Amino acid sequence: EAAVTQSPRSKVAVTGGKVTLSCHQTNNHDYMYWYRQDTGHGLRLIHYSYVADSTEKGDIPDGYKASRPSQENFSLILELASLSQTAVYFCASSDVGANTGQLYFGEGSKLTVL
Amino acid sequence: GDSVTQTEGLVTLTKGLPVMLNCTYQTTYSPFLFWYVQHLNEAPKLLLKSSTDNKRTEHQGFYATLHKSSSSFHLQKSSVQLSDSALYFCALRASSGSWQLIFGSGTQLTVMP
Repeated sequence: EAAVTQSPRSKVAVTGGKVTLSCHQTNNHDYMYWYRQDTGHGLRLIHYSYVADSTEKGDIPDGYKASRPSQENFSLILELASLSQTAVYFCASSDVGANTGQLYFGEGSKLTVL
Repeated sequence: GDSVTQTEGLVTLTKGLPVMLNCTYQTTYSPFLFWYVQHLNEAPKLLLKSSTDNKRTEHQGFYATLHKSSSSFHLQKSSVQLSDSALYFCALRASSGSWQLIFGSGTQLTVMP
C-alpha cells in the first residue's frame, strides 16, 4: 500500500507568521504535489515536483513556496501566512511509472490562520 | 485548455435508489479520467479510473464508462448505501505532459435512510 504522510496534521498560525507543511512518501514515486482544499470545494494545485531539488508552479502558487530536498520529501512553505490561506492542504505522490498518473494522497494538514 | 465539469454540487438520495453523478471534460489530449471519493475528514481515495473508449470500469459497486463522443465519464451505482455519503471528484489527467490531475469542483452525495 502506497504511503504518504503529512505533518503537522493540524496547525494554528498567526497572520504574518511562517508556516511549513511537510510531506514524506515511501512509494518511490518521482512526482509529488501540494493541493489546497477549501471547505466543501475541489482541489487546486499549488506546486508540484518531478525530481529532487526542483519544483514547479501549479495553478495557485502565489503566497506559497515549495522545497523538494529528496525524492521522499516535499515541503510547502508559507513565508507570510494570511487569513485567506486557511484551508486543508493535501500532499500527494503520483504513480507515473504505471502510466496512469494516479494520485496517492496524504491525510491532509488543516491550517487555520488567525 | 483542459477542464472538468461536475454539474451537481449536492445530490441527496434515499438508500437503495440508483445514482448518477455527471462528469464532462475538455482536453486536446487522449483523455484519462479518474473518480476520487473523499469521506468526511479523510483524504481523497481513488474509486476508479477510465479504460478504453466505451468500456465500463467498475469498483465497489460503482461504475463509469468513458465516452469520447460526448466527452463524458459519469459515475453510477445501482443502489446507494448510507456509507456512500461522501464528496466525489472527477479528475482529468492534464495534456501538458506534467502528470497533473485537473479536478472538478466535486459533488457531495448524501444518502438518507
